[in-house]
Order: sequence, then structure tokens, then C-alpha cells
Amino acid sequence: KAGVTQTPRYLIKTRGQQVTLSCSPISGHRSVSWYQQTPGQGLQFLFEYFSETQRNKGNFPGRFSGRQFSNSRSEMNVSTLELGDSALYLCASSPAREGNEQFFGPGTRLTVL
Amino acid sequence: AQRVTQPEKLLSVFKGAPVELKCNYSYSGSPELFWYVQYSRQRLQLLLRHISRESIKGFTADLNKGETSFHLKKPFAQEEDSAMYYCALRSGSARQLTFGSGTQLTVLP
Repeated sequence: KAGVTQTPRYLIKTRGQQVTLSCSPISGHRSVSWYQQTPGQGLQFLFEYFSETQRNKGNFPGRFSGRQFSNSRSEMNVSTLELGDSALYLCASSPAREGNEQFFGPGTRLTVL
Repeated sequence: AQRVTQPEKLLSVFKGAPVELKCNYSYSGSPELFWYVQYSRQRLQLLLRHISRESIKGFTADLNKGETSFHLKKPFAQEEDSAMYYCALRSGSARQLTFGSGTQLTVLP
């Protein structure tokens, strides 16, 4: 099976702009989670989607949002970008509602100037 | 609130030496504990989980509920073990992973 894919792999934006990142889970996986990875804060959970519904949300401001489509592909959006949003955004998919292992994608490197 | 602590940011050992990467957690219930590894230029991947009680690539980890620890051990480190290691916790109610800050392991020749 193909692994989790994320697009784009690299992105440069300026403050105030918005950005949309995409994640395609492993075929058959219905749960998609998003994490932010920064040198200072490490890996932090953003949100999880299952069957097009957000199940859990981390402690991030409302500028961070996401959605999941019927084919389980997911997008996350960040509006009004700030310098501190520069990070590696990781997507992970798992097979079932009570999912076990999470399989991670390569990440999208977002740089905010 | 749940928390995972990895006290060592950097750890260097010589090839063939034993290695132990420390992980402590705080959680009031019964957690699931994991070790993830990220090799250079590769994606984050699961190394092992406490439920399976298996040994992967020579690594083992035992959940010690009394000490709230889940240390990762290997008796003889290899150069290819050099990587970033993350301890992670998943609680019963929430499905997301809470990660520690990671330990960069370097195995010297």
C-alpha cells in the first residue's frame, strides 16, 4: 500500500496570508490526525477527523481548522498566518475508529516570513 | 492533563554499548505507551508499543506503572540506531498522541 502523502512538501507564505495543506491517508484508513512539530514545542496535536467529523481538537487557536472528505482525504487550513506558525505539519492516518498504530506522512514544511 | 517527559535531549553511546532512553509520563488512568523513531530524512514511524511487549530491532521497553516510566533499552547499540526517538502516550478517552520532546541518539563508531 502507498503510504500517507502530504502536499505540498514545502511552502513559503507571508504574515497575514492563509494556507491550506492536504493529506491523503493510506487506502482504507478512516482516521486522520494532524500534528505541528516545532523545535521549541515539539510535536503537538492539532485535531483528528474520522468519517468527516472532527473527534478531537488540541489547544490551538481558531485560526487552525480542518476538514475531511468522504474519501478520507483531509485538509487543514491556517488563516492570518503568524511567524510562529512556521513548523513542520504532520498528518497521520490509522485504520479504524479505535485506531491502533498511526502512520505518519513526510510532513509539509511551512515557513512564514 | 497528560504529560510525557524525556529528560535527555541528546544521548551519545559507543557502538556495542548498552543504551537506555528515558521516558516518564503523568496520567491518572491507564495509558497506552509508544516509542516512535525518526531516522535522518525519513518519516516518523512506530518502533514499539507497550501492549505488544515485543522486541523490535533489539529494543525493548517495559511499562512501570509504579514509577510511571516507559524507558527504551537496547543491550548493544548499533550505528544504524542513530536517530530521534519520541516517547508517546495515548489516553483511553482521547485518541490523539501526546509526545515527549524527543531524544537524539547518536551511536559512535
